[in-house]
Amino acid sequence: EVQLVESGGDLIQPGRSLRLSCAASGFKFGDYAMHWVRKPPGKGLEWVSGINWNSGVIAYADSVKGRFTISRDNAKNSLFLEVNSLRVEDTALYYCAKGSGRRSVEWSPSDSWGQGTLVIVSS
Amino acid sequence: DIVMTQSPDSLAVSLGERATINCKSSQSLLYSSNNRDYIAWFQQKPGQTPRLLIYWGSTRESGVPDRFSGSGSGTDFTLSISSLQAEDVAVYYCQQYYTTPLTFGGGTKVEIK
Repeated sequence: EVQLVESGGDLIQPGRSLRLSCAASGFKFGDYAMHWVRKPPGKGLEWVSGINWNSGVIAYADSVKGRFTISRDNAKNSLFLEVNSLRVEDTALYYCAKGSGRRSVEWSPSDSWGQGTLVIVSS
Repeated sequence: DIVMTQSPDSLAVSLGERATINCKSSQSLLYSSNNRDYIAWFQQKPGQTPRLLIYWGSTRESGVPDRFSGSGSGTDFTLSISSLQAEDVAVYYCQQYYTTPLTFGGGTKVEIK
């Protein structure tokens, strides 16, 4: 059974930084692209960033480009998101999600999601 | 960036009746080399994580009831629930994975009338 467990969310002041983590199990982590998707309170889903299976392709939403950095450690079955220069509008539940295409050269929709970790940016 | 526009924002449907959700993309999601539309549909029930329902525009994910179907091609897509059940109350999202940044529609809230 695929399990994705996020951690690292916190109440934090604007301008500060956080490191979000996602521990994966139940599948061959190193074969799949991974994503971060967030859901601000009362709003819809927003794709934040994706990284392919071997870290060779990385992409970001325009709203976070230059502030957020996605990475993965396939040896430790872990996904990360460094979030810097946080803004109030970054407040959201951050989900880790698994891509569905094994060692795919193209992006694929997410077929498994974690429960999310909450980031609240407030002074 | 590709903009995904869903309509309506919300709809109320009687149990057993059909629910139809539309999604329009700002550019074609059809990749000519494989004739596939790079669009997926997700369901998010209250307090739960999103669930993949449909990918490639019309392929049901394993375990998804056959009352859910996806249709359309190019820029116009539809998710249909043929006979609404109480457990289908949720927010539904379309997402394009044709190119980055991947983008979601704004969501459609489905309720029971």
